[in-house]
Parts: sequence; structure tokens; C-alpha cells
Amino acid sequence: AQTVTQSQPEMSVQEAETVTLSCTYDTSESDYYLFWYKQPPSRQMILVIRQEAYKQQNATENRFSVNFQKAAKSFSLKISDSQLGDAAMYFCAYIHTYKYIFGTGTRLKVLA
Amino acid sequence: EPEVTQTPSHQVTQMGQEVILRCVPISNHLYFYWYRQILGQKVEFLVSFYNNEISEKSEIFDDQFSVERPDGSNFTLKIRSTKLEDSAMYFCASRRDYEQYFGPGTRLTVT
Repeated sequence: AQTVTQSQPEMSVQEAETVTLSCTYDTSESDYYLFWYKQPPSRQMILVIRQEAYKQQNATENRFSVNFQKAAKSFSLKISDSQLGDAAMYFCAYIHTYKYIFGTGTRLKVLA
Repeated sequence: EPEVTQTPSHQVTQMGQEVILRCVPISNHLYFYWYRQILGQKVEFLVSFYNNEISEKSEIFDDQFSVERPDGSNFTLKIRSTKLEDSAMYFCASRRDYEQYFGPGTRLTVT
């Protein structure tokens, strides 16, 4: 069965510092998509970054980047120059048969 | 930029009542989804819908739930005889290619 694991229930980072959120997944497929979503207190699901498994290059969106290790089935999110507005729940997600499978989330706290 | 909308943003209902949660997907999208998030937990897939029929549903989506596309724009989730444990955020999503676009969610509170 496809699963997504986020082993860090909560992380803290000092403003302007860098933090990495971990995600591992389990799949027997060779071509798939991975996502990181941010969920602020409003509970809206906001797409942060996406990665196509067939692309070897790690995706980058401004201060957000991923470290995609396909063989290890690892998909971590790095946030550089953390800002107070980055504080939120972050969910890693994998697409399987066109439905998302989400991890349990990591709550990120940003300390001023 | 087109977006998925959901109404109402918050619904309070009494146990045993029926509720209908509404979603307007992005207009040229063909696939529609409902997800549920109980407070403090992860987002869980409920059902997917394509070509006017359910294409996949989870074990959560039992006979209490139904989905419908009553017209060309709305996509609804009906919960019959609500239970306390149905209290959650319900997210609608739509897609054309592989990426899904989420609505802002409806918070359902069952008292």
C-alpha cells in the first residue's frame, strides 16, 4: 500500500535560518508526482512545491527547495531564510491513482 | 486566476441532520474530489468523481455519503444523518492534468 511518512510532528526554526522537513513514501510505481502543501491557521491547502519523479533535478520555488532521493524514496523540503509567515502545518503528498495520499504533517514554528 | 470555491465556509448542524456541502470546481476541469480533515489530523481522501460517476471511494465513504454534479458547475457532497465524528474540514478539489487544486474548505461542526 502507498504510504507517506512525516516523522517530525513539530519543528522550530529561528527567523532567517534554514529548516528541513522530512518525508518518506512507499510506492512500487516508477513514475509519480510528489507535493508539499502548506496549511496555515485558516486551514486552506496551499501548494508549496511539486516534483515529478522522472525529473532528476530537484524542484525549487524561491526560498523553497526539495531534496528528492528517488532510490531512498525520500522527499524533504528545505525552507531558506525562514519568515514568520512560514509558520504553518506542512503536508507531504503523493499521487496514487490520481488521488492524493497525505502524510500526517509537520507543524513548523518560526521564532522571532 | 481560476480557483475552486466552496460554500458554506462553516456549517453547524445537529446530529442526525442532513447537510450538503457545495463546491464549484475550475470550469475546464474534468475530475473532482472530496477530502476530509478531522481537526489535528491528516487530510484523507473520500471520493473521486469523473464523467458523472464515482471513479474511486475510500472506506470512509460509506452509505451515509453521496456526491452529485447537479448541473454543469456545482459538485456537492451530501452527508445523511450526520454524526458527531463527521465534524471536520471538508475540502473539494478539481484537476485537469495531474495536479489537483483545492478549495478553501468547509468546516462542518456537528453538535
